[in-house]
Amino acid sequence: ELKVEQNPLFLSMQEGKNYTIYCNYSTTSDRLYWYRQDPGKSLESLFVLLSNGAVKQEGRLMASLDTKARLSTLHITAAVHDLSATYFCAARVPGNQFYFGTGTSLTVIP
Amino acid sequence: NAGVTQTPKFQVLKTGQSMTLQCAQDMNHEYMSWYRQDPGMGLRLIHYSVGAGITDQGEVPNGYNVSRSTTEDFPLRLLSAAPSQTSVYFCASSPLLGQGYEQYFGPGTRLTVT
Repeated sequence: ELKVEQNPLFLSMQEGKNYTIYCNYSTTSDRLYWYRQDPGKSLESLFVLLSNGAVKQEGRLMASLDTKARLSTLHITAAVHDLSATYFCAARVPGNQFYFGTGTSLTVIP
Repeated sequence: NAGVTQTPKFQVLKTGQSMTLQCAQDMNHEYMSWYRQDPGMGLRLIHYSVGAGITDQGEVPNGYNVSRSTTEDFPLRLLSAAPSQTSVYFCASSPLLGQGYEQYFGPGTRLTVT
């Protein structure tokens, strides 16, 4: 069974600042996902990372994957209030099972 | 193109009752899955399917059954509801190959068992 750990669990950051959310996973995974969830809503896919060294960017969010360290990061640049949400990472193991982290609740304050 | 749909949105059951949560997708995705989301625990995989007629257990399958008779539909059955099954249930689908392997989630079903 794969374990996925995210940190921090809660993050309060000022608008305009940068920060990174970390996602560690315990065993081999062939795909790493990042999702966003707004309160009371479903999950929205942000990024799918498929290989070591993969980097993807969309607006103020950038995700990267280091399969050797079993680590993915989600970097937030110049945060704005609209980025307030809960962010999840999830890892897929061969055999099509997905394991999610417990989520990072991000609040961006003016 | 409706994506992934789930019914009902809300449901209250009494302990011991049974019910079926419906999930359908219109994207011809091979892979479909059910998750439950509990506070502080992220999402946990209940059952999944890689195609019609093929299902398998995920991380927390006890108390739930699934079947996949068509590509489009993947219902989740609670056999005898228990308060521990109070949760928000999400269905998801994705292609197995290509298209970035992105998972698409339904809007969720909020289930309360009293």
